Amino acid sequence: NAGVTQTPKFQVLKTGQSMTLQCAQDMNHNSMYWYRQDPGMGLRLIYYSASEGTTDKGEVPNGYNVSRLNKREFSLRLESAAPSQTSVYFCASSARTGRLQETQYFGPGTRLLVL
Amino acid sequence: KQEVTQIPAALSVPEGENLVLNCSFTDSAIYNLQWFRQDPGKGLTSLLLIQSSQREQTSGRLNASLDKSSGRSTLYIAASQPGDSATYLCAVRQEDKVIFGPGTSLSVIP
Repeated sequence: NAGVTQTPKFQVLKTGQSMTLQCAQDMNHNSMYWYRQDPGMGLRLIYYSASEGTTDKGEVPNGYNVSRLNKREFSLRLESAAPSQTSVYFCASSARTGRLQETQYFGPGTRLLVL
Repeated sequence: KQEVTQIPAALSVPEGENLVLNCSFTDSAIYNLQWFRQDPGKGLTSLLLIQSSQREQTSGRLNASLDKSSGRSTLYIAASQPGDSATYLCAVRQEDKVIFGPGTSLSVIP
């Protein structure tokens, strides 16, 4: 039981390049999330998927796209990377029991540097 | 728009002290509040989750309280240890979104 896994762990991009961050969970959770963490700003929600087949914008969606490939996998794509997207990206998942949401489980993060 | 703040931003205490971390939120219409721990260069680990109908949760030396009407939560750490040194974040859930505070960086000095 690996929990939430993310690949890659670290990536360097040049401005304008594209890449996809991968996330997978093996806990049969319905909901998955992508956050970015910047110094002094906590975690900010980029996109989330409340259930398989649905995705919604979070607080800072510009410059990103997501795909909920199946119940296990939720990917984040940067189509044209910018230096402002240098950050640490975290994927998370949670179950949902009725109207109650259970604990969020986080992956180890992907450190992205855009030059 | 929900905003979550945490005071203080950083805290340094000698080993053995009891301490309180504070979390405030502007919109009381939340489903739950969660406290996380983050070690440098690592992901987040959930410590305690309090549903909106609950007043507090306890786990070992940790106790978290929730006063939804006043928009406040506290995390109490008893008999602090150097291993407690980390950043502590609180987060509130509204519908399908979770909004995080900026965190409190705790250093426990041996």
